This record gives sequence, C-alpha cells and structure tokens, in this order.
Amino acid sequence: DIQMTQSPSSLSASVGDRVTITCRAGQSISIYVNWYQQKPGKAPELLIYAASSLQSGVPSRFSGSGSGTDFTLTISSLQPEDFATYYCQQSYSTPQTFGGGTKVDI
Amino acid sequence: QLQLQESGPGLVKPSETLSLTCTVSGGSISSYYWSWIRQPPGKGLEWIGYMYYSGNINYNPSLKSRVTISVDTSKNQFSLKLSSVTAADTAVYYCARLYSSPSYFDYWGQGTLVTVSS
Repeated sequence: DIQMTQSPSSLSASVGDRVTITCRAGQSISIYVNWYQQKPGKAPELLIYAASSLQSGVPSRFSGSGSGTDFTLTISSLQPEDFATYYCQQSYSTPQTFGGGTKVDI
Repeated sequence: QLQLQESGPGLVKPSETLSLTCTVSGGSISSYYWSWIRQPPGKGLEWIGYMYYSGNINYNPSLKSRVTISVDTSKNQFSLKLSSVTAADTAVYYCARLYSSPSYFDYWGQGTLVTVSS
C-alpha cells in the first residue's frame, strides 16, 4: 500500500491567513493526488483532483500543486467556512489510500 | 444533480454480516465506478472497494476476504456486505462515485453510522 503522510495534523489560523498543507507519498505517484474537505458530521467534498485541477464549484482560493512524492494544498485567504479537516488521497494504485487528515481551526 | 443515499441497519452484532445499500438518484448507475469508503469515529478514511456497473470489482486487500460489493442496475443501487464483523468495523460508511481517468471520488452519500455491538 502507498502511505500518504500529511502535515501538520492540525493547525490554528485566522480568517485571511494563507494556509498550506502538505502530503507526502511513500513512492512516486505522478500527479495522482486528490484533496477533500470534510466538515463535522458531513461527507468529504472534493476540492482538487490530479494534484492541481480545481473541481467545478470550488472557490479559486483553493489550489494544489506537486508531483512525484510531494504535494501541497494551499488556501490563499482563509474564510470562516474553510475551518474543517482536509485529506489527501492517492489514486495511483489500489488500494487507494488517504492521508491522516489536517484539522484547520481557529 | 446526482445524489447518493446509504441505507441499512445502524446496529450489527459481532460475527454477523453488515449489509448496506446505496441508492443513486439524478443519474444512471450505468457507466462509472461505484465505491464504499468508511471512517471510524474520530479517525481517517479507508477505501473498502469499488465496482464498475458491468462487473469489474476491486477490493482493499485488508478487507478482501470479508467484503462483497454488488450492483443492481434495475434499481439504480449498489450494495456492500461485510461479514464476520467486530467492533473494529464500527464506522460511518459512505458510498461514493469514483470518476476514472483521472480517478477521484466526486459524489458522496451523507454517510451512515454502523455500530457493531451485542
């Protein structure tokens, strides 16, 4: 299985801050990383697919980058509705695996 | 707008079989892959497996011996069976559509909590 390691596991930020979350894969996975946002009691929602493609309807303050083993999710200006937990996921090979999550709170 | 809805018992006894159904509305289950993902309380996400509507199946090796995913195109539903459950199988179970090439989960059900307890 390909291990996905996210950092940090949690962070505190303020509205308007630039936030960066990283995800490292246990082996090279090209660009096959997706990012999801999950709010308490809700299902995850897709933000970014294939490392840097913005899912339809997702605000442009979200962006993704990276290839190979190192990937980044950036929120350019944190909004109140962005306080949530974020997960990366690799779709390079099965079993598809998720990172441990990054909780973004105030 | 595609919608997915999980249904099934919220409580299952140890050693029994967990059975869930996902009903797809607002679109056809034909084409696309359909998947199950679970999340133990307070923990991260685990992919269980996926099935193409016409029969191609792939399971997580960690669960493969206990999992069955099936599709009923006539009802626009797909199902999960997990046998010999233990407390470790207590989780919120999500159904999701797996878009392929590139691959990502773009539509999710709201999730259903299944507790394994006697």
